[in-house]
Amino acid sequence: DIQLTQSPSFLSASVGDRVTITCRASQDIRSYLAWYQQKPGKAPNLLIYAASTLQSGVPSRFSGSGSGTEFALTISSLQPEDFATYYCQQLNSYPLTFGGGTKVEIK
Amino acid sequence: QVQLQESGPGLVKPSETLSLTCAVSGDSISGYYWSWFRQPPGKGLEWIGWIYYSGSTNYNPSLRGRVTISVDTSKSQFSLRLSAVTAADTAVYYCARRDNSGYYFSWGQGTQVTVSS
Repeated sequence: DIQLTQSPSFLSASVGDRVTITCRASQDIRSYLAWYQQKPGKAPNLLIYAASTLQSGVPSRFSGSGSGTEFALTISSLQPEDFATYYCQQLNSYPLTFGGGTKVEIK
Repeated sequence: QVQLQESGPGLVKPSETLSLTCAVSGDSISGYYWSWFRQPPGKGLEWIGWIYYSGSTNYNPSLRGRVTISVDTSKSQFSLRLSAVTAADTAVYYCARRDNSGYYFSWGQGTQVTVSS
């Protein structure tokens, strides 16, 4: 199975901050990576797919980058509604796997 | 747009079989892959498996033959059965559709299943 390691696992930041979350894959997954946002009691919401393609309707302050084994999700200016947990997911091979999550909290 | 809604018992006894159904509305069930995921309390997400509308399946080996996913195109729904459950199967279970791009754009709201006697 492909392991995805997210860092940090917890992040405390202020509104307006630039935030970057990284996701490292245990082997080459090309660009088959997705990023989700999840709020308490809600289903995951797809933000980015194919490593860097912004899902329709997602604010442009979110961006994704990387390929191979190193990926990043960046929020250019953190907004109050962005405080949530973020997960990466690889879709290069089965079984599909997720990173352990990054919880973004208000400083 | 497509909508997905999970349903099923919220409480299952240890060693019994967990059964959930996902109702699909707003779009055809044909032509897509339909998946189940789960999330134990306070933990991350796990892919359980998918079924193609024609009936072919792919499961997570970690579930060691306990899982069966089926589809009923006439009712526009697909189902999950997980046998011999233990407390470790306690989780929120989500159904989702794999888009033609291969990614999961559409998810159900999730349903909590607790395994306890």
